[in-house]
Amino acid sequence: EVQLVESGGGLVQPGGSLRLSCEAAGFTFNKHDMHWVRQAPGKGLEWVSVIGTAGDPYYADSVKGRFTISRENAKNSLYLQMNSLRAGDTAVYYCTTGNFDLWGRGTLVTVSS
Amino acid sequence: SYELTQPSSVSVSPGQTARITCSGDGLAKKYARWFQQKPGQAPVLVIYKDNERPSGIPERFSGSSSGTIVTLTISGAQVEDEADYYCSSVAGNNLLWVFGGGTKLTVL
Repeated sequence: EVQLVESGGGLVQPGGSLRLSCEAAGFTFNKHDMHWVRQAPGKGLEWVSVIGTAGDPYYADSVKGRFTISRENAKNSLYLQMNSLRAGDTAVYYCTTGNFDLWGRGTLVTVSS
Repeated sequence: SYELTQPSSVSVSPGQTARITCSGDGLAKKYARWFQQKPGQAPVLVIYKDNERPSGIPERFSGSSSGTIVTLTISGAQVEDEADYYCSSVAGNNLLWVFGGGTKLTVL
C-alpha cells in the first residue's frame, strides 16, 4: 500500500526539542523530493521545509536555523529535527511527497509549559 | 515575502457552480495546485499545474488561470464537497513554497 506514516509528535516545553519521523511505503522513496507541512489548531496550511533527492534542504523563514530536515533513503524515512521550540510551533505536522500528491495523516506537536 | 490570497468563505447551493479564486504576483509565471481538506483529515490534491486533475478526482473539479489569478471551479457542487480549499505555488526561486490562507466552501 502506498502510504506515509508520521510519528514522534507529543508535548514538549518551550525551548525543547523533538524529532519527527515519516516512513514511506509502496513507492520509490529515493526518487522523490519530500516536504513537511504544518497546520496550527484551527488555522491554515503552512509549508515548513523540503529536501531534494540529493539531500538539499530548504526552509521557511519561520523555522530556519531551528529545524533541520533530513532523509535516510535506505530506511525510506524522512525526518524533522526541531530545536528551540516555541508555542507558535504547535501544530499537526504532515509529510508529503514533492508533488504534494501523497500525504500522511500527520502527527501533533504541542509546545507548552 | 510571497503571498497567495483567497476569499475566506464561499457558499453555494447543491448543484450550483462554486468558484474559488487565488491571487498572487507569481502565479503569472508559476503553476498552482489546489487542495481539499475535510475536518480531521489530511489535505488531498485536487488540481495541479493550474488545470490538471489527478486520477480519482471527480470531473466536476477543474482549474483555470488568468494572469495573476487562478480559479478552482466545482461544477454542480455536492454536499460532500463542503471542505476547506487551499491553493499553493512555489516562490520565484523554486526553492520555497507557499499556501493561500484557505477558503471554507459551504454547500447547503
